[in-house]
Amino acid sequence: EDKVVQSPLSLVVHEGDTVTLNCSYEVTNFRSLLWYKQEKKAPTFLFMLTSSGIEKKSGRLSSILDKKELFSILNITATQTGDSAVYLCAVEANDYKLSFGAGTTVTVRA
Amino acid sequence: DAGVIQSPRHEVTEMGQEVTLRCKPISGHNSLFWYRQTMMRGLELLIYFNNNVPIDDSGMPEDRFSAKMPNASFSTLKIQPSEPRDSAVYFCASSLREGYEQYFGPGTRLTVT
Repeated sequence: EDKVVQSPLSLVVHEGDTVTLNCSYEVTNFRSLLWYKQEKKAPTFLFMLTSSGIEKKSGRLSSILDKKELFSILNITATQTGDSAVYLCAVEANDYKLSFGAGTTVTVRA
Repeated sequence: DAGVIQSPRHEVTEMGQEVTLRCKPISGHNSLFWYRQTMMRGLELLIYFNNNVPIDDSGMPEDRFSAKMPNASFSTLKIQPSEPRDSAVYFCASSLREGYEQYFGPGTRLTVT
């Protein structure tokens, strides 16, 4: 059974801090890894990673995948209160199905 | 552009009643996914369609759940009869095609009393 483990489960930071979220996985026939941000509504897409070592960046967010060690990290620099959310990691196998981790709850205090 | 549209946004029903959730995927997207999210189990895939054809329904919990996609712009998820343990947020997501990133609708919060 595919397994996605995110850490930490939750963290609290102050505005301006940098946050690093971890996602490790075990999946048969890995295809891609995705990151989503979920506030009090639907998950919104952040990144899709398919290749090791290539950083994807969008504003203050960046992510990288290590297919040898089977993990990914999501970094958020200069955090703002609007970054408060649950960040979900999902792994896609060759059957195109996503398996989600439990998420990391990030709280950014002003 | 309109994203994935789901209705209703909230549904409260009594145990034993039939519940129908609706989804309109993003225009031009060929793959559609139904998920359920609960505190205990997180986000779980129930079923997915590609080009209106159900590809994998292994996540459907039991025979009380059924899903259809009669055309490229509409899908339904039906629960009959509903039970309190079906209470959850049900999300529909679509992607351009298999293997592309999925975009989620706003969800339907279902409460079965």
